[in-house]
Amino acid sequence: EPEVTQTPSHQVTQMGQEVILRCVPISNHLYFYWYRQILGQKVEFLVSFYNNEISEKSEIFDDQFSVERPDGSNFTLKIRSTKLEDSAMYFCASEAENTEAFFGQGTRLTVV
Amino acid sequence: GESVGLHLPTLSVQEGDNSIINCAYSNSASDYFIWYKQESGKGPQFIIDIRSNMDKRQGQRVTVLLNKTVKHLSLQIAATQPGDSAVYFCAEMNAGNMLTFGGGTRLMVKP
Repeated sequence: EPEVTQTPSHQVTQMGQEVILRCVPISNHLYFYWYRQILGQKVEFLVSFYNNEISEKSEIFDDQFSVERPDGSNFTLKIRSTKLEDSAMYFCASEAENTEAFFGQGTRLTVV
Repeated sequence: GESVGLHLPTLSVQEGDNSIINCAYSNSASDYFIWYKQESGKGPQFIIDIRSNMDKRQGQRVTVLLNKTVKHLSLQIAATQPGDSAVYFCAEMNAGNMLTFGGGTRLMVKP
């Protein structure tokens, strides 16, 4: 069964450092998303990406965040200068036309 | 403000019993709702969805009910099994295919 894969599973970084979270969406999916879940809280939308551009973004997705689909298979989330409050599980999701979103296993980001 | 939320943070049921997980939403314009299951260390997994032109939708052992009058959504799991233990989220789809998740209910199944 096809699945969304995310790497790494756990990333520890120092405050102020840049991190790149990687995702390989399901082949032939057209819509791509990043969500995050702070420990014990609800899943929150960050950004959606379609046709090589951002289609929607939330207030959380400020100038410190960027997304990229560099090679037609990977979908990355970059945080330029991490803050303690960026510590969370980050989930990538992908979706085909008229299907539900499929989520990856997540990357746990710990900012120290 | 607009929100999607859950009534109970934890639900404990006996194996074999039926489970009912509830969700309230406040955006009366919402027309598509999804239930997700999240097991420990995993991402949300789609269970079932429903559009606002329906009141009820059934899947395998799961049923979603939508009451638009009181803006209430429920997930019913028949003959609950240990493998059903997880956190369940309702989610509302907004413009741009953006999902707004509720706070989650932890379902614990006692053997």
